Amino acid sequence: GQQVMQIPQYQHVQEGEDFTTYCNSSTTLSNIQWYKQRPGGHPVFLIQLVKSGEVKKQKRLTFQFGEAKKNSSLHITATQTTDVGTYFCAGPGSSGSARQLTFGSGTQLTVLP
Amino acid sequence: NAGVTQTPKFRVLKTGQSMTLLCAQDMNHEYMYWYRQDPGMGLRLIHYSVGEGTTAKGEVPDGYNVSRLKKQNFLLGLESAAPSQTSVYFCASSSTGANVLTFGAGSRLTVL
Repeated sequence: GQQVMQIPQYQHVQEGEDFTTYCNSSTTLSNIQWYKQRPGGHPVFLIQLVKSGEVKKQKRLTFQFGEAKKNSSLHITATQTTDVGTYFCAGPGSSGSARQLTFGSGTQLTVLP
Repeated sequence: NAGVTQTPKFRVLKTGQSMTLLCAQDMNHEYMYWYRQDPGMGLRLIHYSVGEGTTAKGEVPDGYNVSRLKKQNFLLGLESAAPSQTSVYFCASSSTGANVLTFGAGSRLTVL
């Protein structure tokens, strides 16, 4: 079945440093989504990328979708303590319903003040 | 709008006991999902529903049953709980348009 791999699993940064998490799929994706989960909270949708090579920005967050639509990245510039949490990528399933999302294992970001 | 509401938030069970987790959404979403989250393993889909009266298996369905008798509710049942089912369970829903998931706050289940 489809696998979505995410690295790194953990990342500690000093406040003000940049952060990047990478997502790789074993299959081509029609789209990819990113979610953020604060400690003790639930996943919250951040963004969806659909087009090959697409780049989207949300303030300090930059999301990219690879040309082959098999990988994606989330980059945070000048991290703040409010960025703490776990970031997940998710892609539609390759079997069964396309409504099924397969989530990566997540990257847990810690920002040290 | 409450969004997606899960009850209970916490539950402790003994091995072999049964229980039901309730998920309710007030957004008129067609699709509903149950995920479990374990450390280092992300979110894994247990079962999902594409509409009232329908259910389908996800990635890890064994040991769980679901029902969607009403559009707004999606129930997750454990008939005979096992310690391996200790986890945080998240319900989510999405509309017929963009497949963007709205999650509930989660239900933490411990099976002793």
